[in-house]
Amino acid sequence: AQKVTQAQTEISVVEKEDVTLDCVYETRDTTYYLFWYKQPPSGELVFLIRRNSFDEQNEISGRYSWNFQKSTSSFNFTITASQVVDSAVYFCALSEASSYGGNQGNLIFGKGTKLSVKP
Amino acid sequence: NAGVTQTPKFQVLKTGQSMTLQCAQDMNHEYMSWYRQDPGMGLRLIHYSVGAGITDQGEVPNGYNVSRSTTEDFPLRLLSAAPSQTSVYFCASSSQTGRGTEAFFGQGTRLTVV
Repeated sequence: AQKVTQAQTEISVVEKEDVTLDCVYETRDTTYYLFWYKQPPSGELVFLIRRNSFDEQNEISGRYSWNFQKSTSSFNFTITASQVVDSAVYFCALSEASSYGGNQGNLIFGKGTKLSVKP
Repeated sequence: NAGVTQTPKFQVLKTGQSMTLQCAQDMNHEYMSWYRQDPGMGLRLIHYSVGAGITDQGEVPNGYNVSRSTTEDFPLRLLSAAPSQTSVYFCASSSQTGRGTEAFFGQGTRLTVV
């Protein structure tokens, strides 16, 4: 069975601190996709990143970086020099591969980590 | 440039009432799905569709019906609303071709059943 665990329910940091959000996943598939979404207080879901299981390269996008390690089934998300606008709930999600080769649409979400960045 | 459009944004129902949450996408995506979000639970899949005329159940399907008569629309029906269905509902769509894409989500519908 597939499962995504975000062990940190809430994290509070002071602006400019670095913060890492943990994500551990379980799947029997050899091909799968991992995602991070941001949900700001306004409620919409904002896509941040998609990673394929066959691509273990870490990725950096501005202040955001992601560390994908298949050996530990983890896909952690780090925000460098956090800002108040980073305050949100962050979701990690997992998807199987579809028969077409892309990700199947079903997403298995973790329960989310609420990040509060204080000025 | 609409993406995924959900209506209504807010709704209050009385127990036993029925209603339909609307979802439409203009990206010609094959895959559409409905999730519900409850505090501390993340998002859970209710129903999904891999194309017009094809639907299937997700993790929490009880009390909900869906149909997919067109590629664009995927309405979610509550036949007899119950307080346990108070939640925020999200519709999503994604493409199944190529290397895959992220799921695009609608703005959500906040439903309260009293």
